[in-house]
Amino acid sequence: EAGVTQFPSHSVIEKGQTVTLRCDPISGHDNLYWYRRVMGKEIKFLLHFVKESKQDESGMPNNRFLAERTGGTYSTLKVQPAELEDSGVYFCASSPTASGYEQFFGPGTRLTVL
Amino acid sequence: GQSLEQPSEVTAVEGAIVQINCTYQTSGFYGLSWYQQHDGGAPTFLSYNALDGLEETGRFSSFLSRSDSYGYLLLQELQMKDSASYFCAVRDGNGGFKTIFGAGTRLFVKA
Repeated sequence: EAGVTQFPSHSVIEKGQTVTLRCDPISGHDNLYWYRRVMGKEIKFLLHFVKESKQDESGMPNNRFLAERTGGTYSTLKVQPAELEDSGVYFCASSPTASGYEQFFGPGTRLTVL
Repeated sequence: GQSLEQPSEVTAVEGAIVQINCTYQTSGFYGLSWYQQHDGGAPTFLSYNALDGLEETGRFSSFLSRSDSYGYLLLQELQMKDSASYFCAVRDGNGGFKTIFGAGTRLFVKA
């Protein structure tokens, strides 16, 4: 069974540009989460999808971030326009249950905004 | 709000036992999870405690005391490959679905 995959693995962009990150969860997992980790700090929750619906997006930092999960399969996270403080590693995770006590993480996308 | 506290770094020698503590403050509680993350890798699930007591999985064990809002991860017979960051995590207690992670404990295993 394939794990959670994310694309790209690395992205370097300039301030003001747009970047779209993609996550493919484990097949059959209705629950999909986005997180961000800034170096040395906690893994910070961004939002949670159940199928195509946003269940909790309280962690999204501002309206420059837009997440979608059309069709309830893969998800995208768009940052537009990117700012320096958006740099970090963006992780996607999926879980078969809403409790989410066991989440399966992807390898992350390292975003660097210059 | 919700918060978790864990030590930033722990160092131990190969073959030893190490305990990584986690204290939490939540407005509700749905259990404590532990994840391991190697440098450059994805966090991987290690264990979960919903009830008080010790859960053992091979060399790793996890303990929870809900009355003390405290848990720990115990790693026995340490190996070099155990050098990694370890995160405790709880689910939001306000009926939401967000998972709150601690800042992680960096474990260094020395020969």
